Amino acid sequence: GENVEQHPSTLSVQEGDSAVIKCTYSDSASNYFPWYKQELGKRPQLIIDIRSNVGEKKDQRIAVTLNKTAKHFSLHITETQPEDSAVYFCAASWNDYKLSFGAGTTVTVRA
Amino acid sequence: NAGVTQTPKFQVLKTGQSMTLQCAQDMNHNSMYWYRQDPGMGLRLIYYSASEGTTDKGEVPNGYNVSRLNKREFSLRLESAAPSQTSVYFCASSATGDNSPLHFGNGTRLTVT
Repeated sequence: GENVEQHPSTLSVQEGDSAVIKCTYSDSASNYFPWYKQELGKRPQLIIDIRSNVGEKKDQRIAVTLNKTAKHFSLHITETQPEDSAVYFCAASWNDYKLSFGAGTTVTVRA
Repeated sequence: NAGVTQTPKFQVLKTGQSMTLQCAQDMNHNSMYWYRQDPGMGLRLIYYSASEGTTDKGEVPNGYNVSRLNKREFSLRLESAAPSQTSVYFCASSATGDNSPLHFGNGTRLTVT
């Protein structure tokens, strides 16, 4: 199976600053890397994903980078806003149906 | 269009009791999943159903059974609940298994005493 490690476990940033979350994975066969955001008491929701044939993907203030050689991928949030406060989960998939999730990063944006 | 609907939202069981968590989706998705979420451990896959009529084990299937009743519905059964099964359970669906995005339900918070 796949083992995904996520760092840091908590992250506090000043509003307007950037936030970076890093994940590593163990199985070189993994080919799909989504990121989910979970607000307090809510369901996880997909915010961005990247496949193994792409090195970087952007969507407005969020971007994900993938380094297949080093087996790590990162989420970058720029110009953070209070509504970015949430728990973020990275995940990796080596099987079409089996996603392995990281333990999560609690992001707090300070006003 | 409700998306993925789970019932109940909360449940308290005594050790040894049984219960079934219900999940239904109205997005005509082929694949459905059950995850559990525990503090500091992310989401872990219990069982999944790639398509109607099929089910397969995930990472942590012990103590659980599932039924894919039809394309819309996928239930999770705890035959003899244990305190270690105290968790938040999420049902999810995806259009296909080809790493298509997961759509989660609102979760069921289960406490086993």
